[in-house]
This record gives sequence, C-alpha cells and structure tokens, in this order.
Amino acid sequence: QVQLVESGGGLVKPGGSLRLSCVASGFTFTDHYMSWIRQSPGKGLEWISYISGRGITTFYADSVKGRFTISRDSAKRSLYLEMNSLRVDDTAIYYCARDAHAGGSLDYWGQGTLVTVSS
Amino acid sequence: EIVLTQSPGTLSLSPGERATLSCRTSQSISSRYLAWYQQRPGQAPRLLIYGASSRATGIPDRFSGSGSGADFTLTISRLETEDFAVYYCQHFGSSPPATFGGGTKVEIK
Repeated sequence: QVQLVESGGGLVKPGGSLRLSCVASGFTFTDHYMSWIRQSPGKGLEWISYISGRGITTFYADSVKGRFTISRDSAKRSLYLEMNSLRVDDTAIYYCARDAHAGGSLDYWGQGTLVTVSS
Repeated sequence: EIVLTQSPGTLSLSPGERATLSCRTSQSISSRYLAWYQQRPGQAPRLLIYGASSRATGIPDRFSGSGSGADFTLTISRLETEDFAVYYCQHFGSSPPATFGGGTKVEIK
C-alpha cells in the first residue's frame, strides 16, 4: 500500500537550517508530483512547495521562496525539503503528500514531522 | 490569488444529524480543481472529495460534494462519531498552485 514517511524535524534556532526527508513506497514514485504542506500549531494548512515527477518543475509559496528548496531522488524514492534561514513563524508540522492525478488533489499524506524554530 | 472562505467556523451537531459545510472562492473556478479533506485530531489530512463531487477511494457514501462557480458544499448525510473533525477545502490553481480554506470544525453538540 502507499506509504509516505517523513523525518528530519526538530528544534533549530532562528537563522538555522534543517533538511526534511519523505520516503515513499507502494507506488511508482516518478509518476507523481509531490508536495510539502505545513500546519502551524492550532492553525490551518499551508501548501509550500511542489515538484514534478522527474524533478524538472518546482514551485514555491511566496512565504518560503528563496529560503526553501524541494528536491527528489528517484533511486532512493525520497522527497526532500532543504530549509534555510529559518524563522520563528516556520514552526509547524510539515507533511509530504502525493498528487492524486485528479485536479491537484492530494490523495496520500505522511504522518508529518514537527519543526520548531526557537531561540 | 484565489481566497477560499469556509463557513461556519464551527458546527455543533449531534450524531445522526446532517452537516452542511460551505466553501466560497473569491472568484469563479473550475470545479475540477476543488477538493475536500478531513483532519482528525493528531492525524494528517485525508482526501474525501476531488473534482468537487467525486469521492476518493474508500470514502463512505454519506460524504458528498457539490457546487460550481464560486460556491461549493460538503454534506455529511448522517454524522457518525468518527466524523467529528476539521474539514478543509482546497483549490488547485496557478499561482500559488494550491490554497486551502481556513477550515470548519464539526464538533459534538
């Protein structure tokens, strides 16, 4: 079955960096766009980035553009989010999710990894 | 940027009752690009509806979606205990590619 497992979250100081990973299984990894979505504590969902199946096309929300980089490794069936210049308001649970090939909906999500930015 | 406004913010209902959730977009959109998600406490969101009215795999038929233009609705015909959760609508567009509504919490009355 389809599984997405994130890792890499933790506590980091403002201005610091962190790299999140999402390992995928149960489907042909390169057939699907993948996204990162985050959720600040007690708040709603914010889509922050996506990448095409072969990694050629990427897109970022304005809130992370220039600071975050999305990438993927098909051999390792892994999705990554490199986060630099972290700010307190980047504190959130970060989810990876698979594009469903259905109007941009996201049909499988990982369990999330918590990133806390605090001094 | 298209803004999605969900209402009400909180819906207090009893098991067995009907729930009607609204999602309004700031401009008319193609219904193909409107989805609904359920998020239970401590869990990741789960896709319920895509294309405004198509149920995702494994979703019970008490969940239904409807609407067009700028006005969309998620209906839960008879609430079960596990349906008390937060619901989000989502639009897939161009810039940014995806936006979510603020959510509607369905709580037990």
